[in-house]
Amino acid sequence: NAGVTQTPKFQVLKTGQSMTLQCAQDMNHNSMYWYRQDPGMGLRLIYYSASEGTTDKGEVPNGYNVSRLNKREFSLRLESAAPSQTSVYFCASISAMGGGELFFGEGSRLTVL
Amino acid sequence: RKEVEQDPGPFNVPEGATVAFNCTYSNSASQSFFWYRQDCRKEPKLLMSVYSSGNEDGRFTAQLNRASQYISLLIRDSKLSDSATYLCVVNNQAGTALIFGKGTTLSVSS
Repeated sequence: NAGVTQTPKFQVLKTGQSMTLQCAQDMNHNSMYWYRQDPGMGLRLIYYSASEGTTDKGEVPNGYNVSRLNKREFSLRLESAAPSQTSVYFCASISAMGGGELFFGEGSRLTVL
Repeated sequence: RKEVEQDPGPFNVPEGATVAFNCTYSNSASQSFFWYRQDCRKEPKLLMSVYSSGNEDGRFTAQLNRASQYISLLIRDSKLSDSATYLCVVNNQAGTALIFGKGTTLSVSS
């Protein structure tokens, strides 16, 4: 039972490079989320998709774009990476707001030099 | 004011102690409340949901005070395995996403 799968788990980028973090869930969940976690800052919401076909900005969307490719997949793109984007990124999904559990992937550790 | 604020911690307690964490939230219309647990360098996992009437799961008790916009988590008879960061989680104003507090770190020692 895979749950939420994120790739890659680790990545090192140079400033200005671009990359896409991939996320897929096999639980038929409607809503998917991207968070970043920095020391002392807790988890901060970057973007979310409440349902297939919709995406919305969270608390810290600048420098990121997302695509809800289908119900299973929600990708996060860094167009021009900056050192401030060095962080651990978590993808999560939930069946419906107001009930149920938010399931997380194992995280993607990104370093921007 | 941040949407979700927690006790700064860290809390360092001996085994067997009772410890309480507090959390305040700013959105009076919030309907969903949770406590998540996160172990070092791991993904967060649901510890328990928080209901209006309060709820208990073994050694863990969660309370909600809507009037004061306040959530609490009480851990009784602390175990070494309870050492972790505890995250308070509340749904956002639109009701479409979950917002996390910064977390409170608990360290239980023998």
